[in-house]
Amino acid sequence: EAGVAQSPRYKIIEKRQSVAFWCNPISGHATLYWYQQILGQGPKLLIQFQNNGVVDDSQLPKDRFSAERLKGVDSTLKIQPAKLEDSAVYLCASSGKAGGSTDTQYFGPGTRLTVL
Amino acid sequence: AQSVTQLDSQVPVFEEAPVELRCNYSSSVSVYLFWYVQYPNQGLQLLLKYLSGSTLVESINGFEAEFNKSQTSFHLRKPSVHISDTAEYFCAVSVDTGFQKLVFGTGTRLLVSP
Repeated sequence: EAGVAQSPRYKIIEKRQSVAFWCNPISGHATLYWYQQILGQGPKLLIQFQNNGVVDDSQLPKDRFSAERLKGVDSTLKIQPAKLEDSAVYLCASSGKAGGSTDTQYFGPGTRLTVL
Repeated sequence: AQSVTQLDSQVPVFEEAPVELRCNYSSSVSVYLFWYVQYPNQGLQLLLKYLSGSTLVESINGFEAEFNKSQTSFHLRKPSVHISDTAEYFCAVSVDTGFQKLVFGTGTRLLVSP
């Protein structure tokens, strides 16, 4: 079974530029998560999708971050415009059940973003 | 709101020695507890989880963790570590709201040397 795929693996941009990350979850997984992991910190949930609907985006900086999950499969996370403090690893995860509290989340390898 | 504290940012240990990685949580309601491991250049993988029942949970590669409600702890232990256990370990908590929202600690880097 293929795992969670993410691309690109690395991205370097200058501040005020735009960037987009892509995630392909495990086939059949209904729930998809995007996390931000800043160096020295644990992952922080940005947004959670249940199929193609948003369940939780309370920690997403909506003035610059956006995410979508068209057709309930792939997802993209966009930052526009980027700031220096957005430098982090962006992790995508998916789980098979209806996003229940006891689910196991399966993580992709992440995209490391450096904003100069 | 829930929070997780991993006081040790780095734990160096020699191969075949025992190790304990500490995790304390804060929550006003019942919790579910998780340990995830991140090997270099890889994504996080679930190591073990406590949902209910026996307070001692085990993983397939020899790690175990014990849920201690009175001390609000979920420490991870292994009696004899291998070089291949070198990785970052994250403790996480969620509560039963119908949807899972993991709150992670800052992680502990386990460094196993020969």
